[in-house]
Amino acid sequence: GESVGLHLPTLSVQEGDNSIINCAYSNSASDYFIWYKQESGKGPQFIIDIRSNMDKRQGQRVTVLLNKTVKHLSLQIAATQPGDSAVYFCAERESYNTDKLIFGTGTRLQVFP
Amino acid sequence: GAVVSQHPSWVICKSGTSVKIECRSLDFQATTMFWYRQFPKQSLMLMATSNEGSKATYEQGVEKDKFLINHASLTLSTLTVTSAHPEDSSFYICSGTMRGDTQYFGPGTRLTVL
Repeated sequence: GESVGLHLPTLSVQEGDNSIINCAYSNSASDYFIWYKQESGKGPQFIIDIRSNMDKRQGQRVTVLLNKTVKHLSLQIAATQPGDSAVYFCAERESYNTDKLIFGTGTRLQVFP
Repeated sequence: GAVVSQHPSWVICKSGTSVKIECRSLDFQATTMFWYRQFPKQSLMLMATSNEGSKATYEQGVEKDKFLINHASLTLSTLTVTSAHPEDSSFYICSGTMRGDTQYFGPGTRLTVL
């Protein structure tokens, strides 16, 4: 079936470096994508979103890139900080007429000094 | 930003009892609320989708008589785990959305069934 997956289950980066978390999706009808951050024992926290009519969107220290040709989504975190350590999930909305999301498997980001 | 609360944040109960978890959207009206279940080191698994005033739509494999969902208002949804057993122990998370907007998640409820 349709699925959203991640290439790397764990990413370790040094504090101050940039982080890139990748996500592949297979549903060509998906029109909306979201990145969430989940810290241990907490609910997912919205980071940034992007609609399918865009290929890049920037927030504070974060950038999301969408490549619809290869069905690839990435989250870039600039100047990674210890507080960025968490599990990151990408999620896609199945279609324009639903609010239901499909979540990826998650990538754990570990930031070391 | 949109804030969703859950209560309780954690609960321990005996096997065979029922547990109710509340999910509230505090600063927006959630036309749709979702309930997820998450096992350790795994992704979120959607259990059901509920729209205010109508019956919830359950995902395949989720027992609707076991996990009762009520969405009585645009700011409140409840999940009742009936006759809980140890295998129901998990982290339950709700989310709310306004039509076409992002899903905003609650902080989660840790259920432990002894």
